[in-house]
Amino acid sequence: EAQVTQNPRYLITVTGKKLTVTCSQNMNHEYMSWYRQDPGLGLRQIYYSMNVEVTDKGDVPEGYKVSRKEKRNFPLILESPSPNQTSLYFCASSLTGPYSYEQYFGPGTRLTVT
Amino acid sequence: GEDVEQSLFLSVREGDSSVINCTYTDSSSTYLYWYKQEPGAGLQLLTYIFSNMDMKQDQRLTVLLNKKDKHLSLRIADTQTGDSAIYFCAEIKNRDDKIIFGKGTRLHILP
Repeated sequence: EAQVTQNPRYLITVTGKKLTVTCSQNMNHEYMSWYRQDPGLGLRQIYYSMNVEVTDKGDVPEGYKVSRKEKRNFPLILESPSPNQTSLYFCASSLTGPYSYEQYFGPGTRLTVT
Repeated sequence: GEDVEQSLFLSVREGDSSVINCTYTDSSSTYLYWYKQEPGAGLQLLTYIFSNMDMKQDQRLTVLLNKKDKHLSLRIADTQTGDSAIYFCAEIKNRDDKIIFGKGTRLHILP
């Protein structure tokens, strides 16, 4: 079954404690991206990756890091989380890029930073 | 404007048609998408339209595109309770690799 998985699904942490949210896809997709969803703001792109070892900033990259060492995985790293990073995070993948109509989203990770 | 604009809420009676409107930002945007987000779930790509099209129909869904006004609409015929969700409009600006989302329209179905 084609899917994008994220872990953990829920996380409560404290300010400054480094964390990683994992994202994995099983469809051999080239393009992966991270979004955050906040009430009244919709979805905003954090980072995206066109392929292995190729990453680029989205609209709200500050405070986040990513890596793409393998095609299937695209972890999101918060080196020093702050309360304004409390949000719902979605990972997505698509076959060849944002122009592809074969797109899948993960189920989301709800992060609370106290 | 610089944002993809959508109204935040829409209430429709079961069996009626729903029309969700969107204004996007770039008249040269090549791809325009509609996504559906059900409660507690991720987004699902519902349908899409290329900028060289005016209309696309897919079963109960009809997408209309007015490039002159940068206006996109999604019509859901015979709205059912399973259509209750948040619908996001999105564009890809010309020669860009990013998808720009609207804030989403919450569709509420009345019995």
